[in-house]
Amino acid sequence: GQQLNQSPQSMFIQEGEDVSMNCTSSSIFNTWLWYKQDPGEGPVLLIALYKAGELTSNGRLTAQFGITRKDSFLNISASIPSDVGIYFCAGHNAGGTSYGKLTFGQGTILTVHP
Amino acid sequence: DTEVTQTPKHLVMGMTNKKSLKCEQHMGHRAMYWYKQKAKKPPELMFVYSYEKLSINESVPSRFSPECPNSSLLNLHLHALQPEDSALYLCASSQAGTAGATQYFGPGTRLLVL
Repeated sequence: GQQLNQSPQSMFIQEGEDVSMNCTSSSIFNTWLWYKQDPGEGPVLLIALYKAGELTSNGRLTAQFGITRKDSFLNISASIPSDVGIYFCAGHNAGGTSYGKLTFGQGTILTVHP
Repeated sequence: DTEVTQTPKHLVMGMTNKKSLKCEQHMGHRAMYWYKQKAKKPPELMFVYSYEKLSINESVPSRFSPECPNSSLLNLHLHALQPEDSALYLCASSQAGTAGATQYFGPGTRLLVL
């Protein structure tokens, strides 16, 4: 089945630093999604990418859909303490029996030191 | 409005109890999902409803019984659960069809089975 490799698994950074995380897949996706999850809460959608090569920003967040359709990255600029949480990438392939199923990365745990 | 609501927020139940989790969305989405999530792991898909019909069951044990009374509501009926079923249960919704990749999650129900 499809697998997503998300890296790094965890990051410890100082407030104000930039952050970069990425996901790579063994197969192509039609959609890439990035979520952030705070402890005890549900994942919140940060950015959705629908087209190969697409670069999208949401405030201090920027994400790109890789040209090969097998990877995506998320950058956070000028990190602040409330950026702490677990970030998940997710891919979707609309074809065949996989419709409606998201394939998730294992998550990147972000810690920001004030 | 991208809100999915879930009740209750927390639930403690014994292995002989019967309880239900509820989910509601008013985004006009026609696809709804149940996920199970263990701590610091990505969500695992359990069920998908599309146009109020069950379209995906990821080989979930019969002690979990989903129900979709209408296009806005999704229930998960629980009976004779095991301690290993303790987890965060997440509901999500999306448009049906090819836009169904972009899923919006609720805050989750934290379930503890004693």
